[in-house]
Amino acid sequence: KQEVTQIPAALSVPEGENLVLNCSFTDSAIYNLQWFRQDPGKGLTSLLLIQSSQREQTSGRLNASLDKSSGRSTLYIAASQPGDSATYLCAVTSGAGSYQLTFGKGTKLSVIP
Amino acid sequence: SQTIHQWPATLVQPVGSPLSLECTVEGTSNPNLYWYRQAAGRGLQLLFYSVGIGQISSEVPQNLSASRPQDRQFILSSKKLLLSDSGFYLCAWSVLTSGSEQYFGPGTRLTVT
Repeated sequence: KQEVTQIPAALSVPEGENLVLNCSFTDSAIYNLQWFRQDPGKGLTSLLLIQSSQREQTSGRLNASLDKSSGRSTLYIAASQPGDSATYLCAVTSGAGSYQLTFGKGTKLSVIP
Repeated sequence: SQTIHQWPATLVQPVGSPLSLECTVEGTSNPNLYWYRQAAGRGLQLLFYSVGIGQISSEVPQNLSASRPQDRQFILSSKKLLLSDSGFYLCAWSVLTSGSEQYFGPGTRLTVT
């Protein structure tokens, strides 16, 4: 059974810092990995999708990397801003025929002005 | 562009009462549709998914059910709510292939009292 872990559970950084959020998964036979952002009481916003054949994806100040063999992904946020404060969730799809996303519990990020 | 709606946004219901949550998607045809639940302190859990009208797959045994009466409408129901049904319910859609990027709605906060 696939399990996704995100460490740390919470992170507080001063504005302007670069930071890395970590995600690990137990079964490396994934189809893709998706990073989401969730603001308090809101739905999820898709940030980046990395296919299993890719090593990284970039969108603006965000860069996500994938090391499938070691079961790890990182989300790098450059020049953090208070508006980046949210919970960041990592999720994997296991297998090409799967419809199920397996989620981690998230990392709650606070960017202090 | 595609838009996903959920209602109601919040709901407080007594134990034993029925439930009906609705999700609709605009701007796309033949989407895959999903219901997730996010309970306090736990990750998101896939409850149901649908690849077409009348086609429902259940991932977790429970007292909830789902229906898809129209192509872009997905309904989550219960005949008798339990306290353990409290949580944040999220609907999502993806294009009609497995392993595709999923897009989430704003969610419904359900409190069972």
